[in-house]
Amino acid sequence: GAGVSQTPSNKVTEKGKYVELRCDPISGHTALYWYRQSLGQGPEFLIYFQGTGAADDSGLPNDRFFAVRPEGSVSTLKIQRTERGDSAVYLCASSLEGENEQYFGPGTRLTVT
Amino acid sequence: DAKTTQPTSMDCAEGRAANLPCNHSTISGNEYVYWYRQIHSQGPQYIIHGLKNNETNEMASLIITEDRKSSTLILPHATLRDTAVYYCIVRGYNQGGKLIFGQGTELSVKP
Repeated sequence: GAGVSQTPSNKVTEKGKYVELRCDPISGHTALYWYRQSLGQGPEFLIYFQGTGAADDSGLPNDRFFAVRPEGSVSTLKIQRTERGDSAVYLCASSLEGENEQYFGPGTRLTVT
Repeated sequence: DAKTTQPTSMDCAEGRAANLPCNHSTISGNEYVYWYRQIHSQGPQYIIHGLKNNETNEMASLIITEDRKSSTLILPHATLRDTAVYYCIVRGYNQGGKLIFGQGTELSVKP
């Protein structure tokens, strides 16, 4: 079956611009997670949705970062006024409610120039 | 969630067993040990998890010491495709929410 998909696979943007990253979870998965991964580091948690609501957004680094999941399926991570330090691979994962296994997408590589 | 400590890197010969250690000395009674791996340029992939009994699935075996302060992930017959970064994570069961990844162990399987 289809796994988690993320678009775009690569995004290059200029410092100060706004970007949106999209995640399509596995159908039927109620939980959705965003992580980001810098070169040579493990993934770092950003935010977790259970259905439409953010159950834990403690990993969002500042108010330039925002994520939505309006219908409990697709999610969009939004970054305002991008900075060079935002350059990373942004990973999305989904899971069935109460399940332990998170299924990850291939990530979006964001480069801020 | 308890912190984990893993070696930075390991090598293994193709066809041999790969034994990846993890220390989690501050693990609490209701926390499980999870293993994920990340092949280059891909998202992490779940491997296995366990509480206190040894676990085995089609990918690997997980051996947890009796005091639960450490564990070992075993890939019984490593192949070149097992070359990846392996992450050991401790987390409460069925709590949903975040996984806290450390640096992991970079396993290189060599022919």
